[in-house]
Amino acid sequence: DAGVIQSPRHEVTEMGQEVTLRCKPISGHDYLFWYRQTMMRGLELLIYFNNNVPIDDSGMPEDRFSAKMPNASFSTLKIQPSEPRDSAVYFCASSWVNYGYTFGSGTRLTVV
Amino acid sequence: ILNVEQSPQSLHVQEGDSTNFTCSFPSSNFYALHWYRWETAKSPEALFVMTLNGDEKKKGRISATLNTKEGYSYLYIKGSQPEDSATYLCASPRGSTLGRLYFGRGTQLTVWP
Repeated sequence: DAGVIQSPRHEVTEMGQEVTLRCKPISGHDYLFWYRQTMMRGLELLIYFNNNVPIDDSGMPEDRFSAKMPNASFSTLKIQPSEPRDSAVYFCASSWVNYGYTFGSGTRLTVV
Repeated sequence: ILNVEQSPQSLHVQEGDSTNFTCSFPSSNFYALHWYRWETAKSPEALFVMTLNGDEKKKGRISATLNTKEGYSYLYIKGSQPEDSATYLCASPRGSTLGRLYFGRGTQLTVWP
């Protein structure tokens, strides 16, 4: 298995633009998580899905952020409109219950 | 204790020193304790998953112990090397949401050559 695959690896965009981050979890994993890494807050959970259903989105900063999981092999995190304070590394992770998470390589987002 | 907590926040050791750090977690309704290693500019990588009181896990020079009754786990690194420099995270599920892990803030280890 190629692991959790995230794209793009790096994204530079202008303030106000829409940004879409993508994640392909490990086949068979029934949990998918979106995290954001910032200097201030460390690893911050944004949202997670179980069997493609969003379970907890209380970590999503505001309405500009949305996430979907249309099927078991794909998820997106969208920011519209993007702002400079959204600049961070965004990680996707997948797992089975009570097994360790497998994290993707992350997407480094820079909003200028 | 209500949350997963780690100490110290950071640690600097010389190459060859052995070191250890602590993860504290709620001992009630314990299910599992996870350790991750997170190198700079990389993604967190699972080290251990521990479920039984008294459990001990080992991977090379790194080992971990678990005390579920008092709610703590120790991570030990024997003969630290510069490549051990990383942030070490611990995490535990809470309550009925077994699929979701609650992470500590991590211990940042720097090993000087």
